[in-house]
Amino acid sequence: DAGITQSPRYKITETGRQVTLMCHQTWSHSYMFWYRQDLGHGLRLIYYSAAADITDKGEVPDGYVVSRSKTENFPLTLESATRSQTSVYFCASSESDGRWYEQYFGPGTRLTVT
Amino acid sequence: GQQLNQSPQSMFIQEGEDVSMNCTSSSIFNTWLWYKQDPGEGPVLLIALYKAGELTSNGRLTAQFGITRKDSFLNISASIPSDVGIYFCAGQLKYGQNFVFGPGTRLSVLP
Repeated sequence: DAGITQSPRYKITETGRQVTLMCHQTWSHSYMFWYRQDLGHGLRLIYYSAAADITDKGEVPDGYVVSRSKTENFPLTLESATRSQTSVYFCASSESDGRWYEQYFGPGTRLTVT
Repeated sequence: GQQLNQSPQSMFIQEGEDVSMNCTSSSIFNTWLWYKQDPGEGPVLLIALYKAGELTSNGRLTAQFGITRKDSFLNISASIPSDVGIYFCAGQLKYGQNFVFGPGTRLSVLP
């Protein structure tokens, strides 16, 4: 059982390029989340989704776009990458019942913007 | 936005020692979570706390929801090498809101 996977695991891109990070979960969890992790900041929520076709902004959404056409996928797109978006990105998912806050994280994507 | 502080930022201990770390905020939280992140991996949930004063254990780990609701504590007893990693706290201000994460405590265990 794959659980939650992210691809690519590592990505180097240039400033101004569009890049999409993929997240796939096999549990049929309703909730999915995108976080970025930077030194000294812990994890900061970018976007989240409560179900297919329902998305909402988190703490740091600027410069990012998400979509969720299928329950199992939640791609994150950087429309025009900037150096400040160099970070480690984590996707997470959780169930829709009373334990929705118990989030299961993917292995992360390390993105470098040059 | 809301901010959580974790202390210490990092710690080096000998194998077999007990470990204590804490998470504090200026705001009142109604749920606290503790996660561990191994190098190169995503965080894994260790313990969830739901009410003030609650004490919950998970093996050698024990966490407490502070009485003031502005802090939480994590203790690890008899540390072993696989305890190495970064420990994050996360707090939820109101039910249904998203969680705020602390910056983490990095634990190193010396053999």
